[in-house]
Amino acid sequence: GNSVTQMEGPVTLSEEAFLTINCTYTATGYPSLFWYVQYPGEGLQLLLKATKADDKGSNKGFEATYRKETTSFHLEKGSVQVSDSAVYFCALSHRQGAQKLVFGQGTRLTINP
Amino acid sequence: DAGVIQSPRHEVTEMGQEVTLRCKPISGHDYLFWYRQTMMRGLELLIYFNNNVPIDDSGMPEDRFSAKMPNASFSTLKIQPSEPRDSAVYFCASSWTGTFSYEQYFGPGTRLTVT
Repeated sequence: GNSVTQMEGPVTLSEEAFLTINCTYTATGYPSLFWYVQYPGEGLQLLLKATKADDKGSNKGFEATYRKETTSFHLEKGSVQVSDSAVYFCALSHRQGAQKLVFGQGTRLTINP
Repeated sequence: DAGVIQSPRHEVTEMGQEVTLRCKPISGHDYLFWYRQTMMRGLELLIYFNNNVPIDDSGMPEDRFSAKMPNASFSTLKIQPSEPRDSAVYFCASSWTGTFSYEQYFGPGTRLTVT
């Protein structure tokens, strides 16, 4: 079945550091891929998405590229801020999955000033 | 545009009481999902609807949980009777068939505490 595996957290970085959170998936065909972010006390927000191989999703300085050959969708940001502290979820959807999302376990990110 | 609306935002109740959580999806969306989030189990899909019809309720933990969607603008998740282990944050999300990618939009959640 479809699954998503994320880099285990928690991840702690200093402000302005480079961020990578790894995400790999297992799915047949061509799923759509997402990164969601959850700030403390809030719901999940769609951060970025990619719907086909080699697509790059980007938003708020974050980027992720859909790599079919490595079944990966790693999240990157060149210079993190304290306000980026949150939990990040990688997810996929698939036509065969009837609009359900399959989530990774989440990665907690803390940015220190 | 208004996002997914959930009420109440916080609910504290005693064991054995009935709890009703409410959700208003984004207008025009035809899928509605109920999730539960806990530290121990993470994010779990409980049930989802398409055009107000329940499609998959395999994630509903027990018969104490029930969900309804009487119209396209409203859904409820009911727990009767509630137990302390039901304490969690419950999220509602909605999506639209017209998107190729099926992204879901989440509400702010209801934090339920059962004492």
